[in-house]
Amino acid sequence: AQSVTQLDSQVPVFEEAPVELRCNYSSSVSVYLFWYVQYPNQGLQLLLKYLSGSTLVKGINGFEAEFNKSQTSFHLRKPSVHISDTAEYFCAVSDSGGSNYKLTFGKGTLLTVNP
Amino acid sequence: EAGVTQFPSHSVIEKGQTVTLRCDPISGHDNLYWYRRVMGKEIKFLLHFVKESKQDESGMPNNRFLAERTGGTYSTLKVQPAELEDSGVYFCASQKDRGYGYTFGSGTRLTVV
Repeated sequence: AQSVTQLDSQVPVFEEAPVELRCNYSSSVSVYLFWYVQYPNQGLQLLLKYLSGSTLVKGINGFEAEFNKSQTSFHLRKPSVHISDTAEYFCAVSDSGGSNYKLTFGKGTLLTVNP
Repeated sequence: EAGVTQFPSHSVIEKGQTVTLRCDPISGHDNLYWYRRVMGKEIKFLLHFVKESKQDESGMPNNRFLAERTGGTYSTLKVQPAELEDSGVYFCASQKDRGYGYTFGSGTRLTVV
């Protein structure tokens, strides 16, 4: 079984400040890792994903994440946030092999960017 | 390309009634998933179709939920009879193949009163 822990349920920051949203996972098999964002009244949008290769992954809107296998972490970062980044962010994992494709999500982190 | 379309976007029904949610995936995506988020909880997997076949339905809560995928195209999720605890947001997603990110629809917010 897999699990995902997003350590902060809410993260308030000021505009132009850096932000890190933390994600730890547990799995007995190799995984793919994802970050999704949900803006108010919208669906889930893929920010970035780690499948293999470089552990530093760059995504849309200036976000990046680093896969750390020894720490089983996949933290999301942005050096300078905007008001428009206010949204809920979800970390998710899936098996990288076998016939199980489903995603296991964390509980989400609500990022609020204040002026 | 067109995205994943879900409708209705909102549905309010009384306990004991039946509701059918529909999902139209991206054309050519063989994999189709249903997920649900109950208020305050994490998004949870319900089931996975590959074309018209159910690959994994381990997340379906009980036999009041029935999912179908006609001809490997659109999918429906029927809840009959609905209970209060079925309230939540139901997301559909489609995926071309493993290793590709899922594309999610905007969700259907179901409220059972």
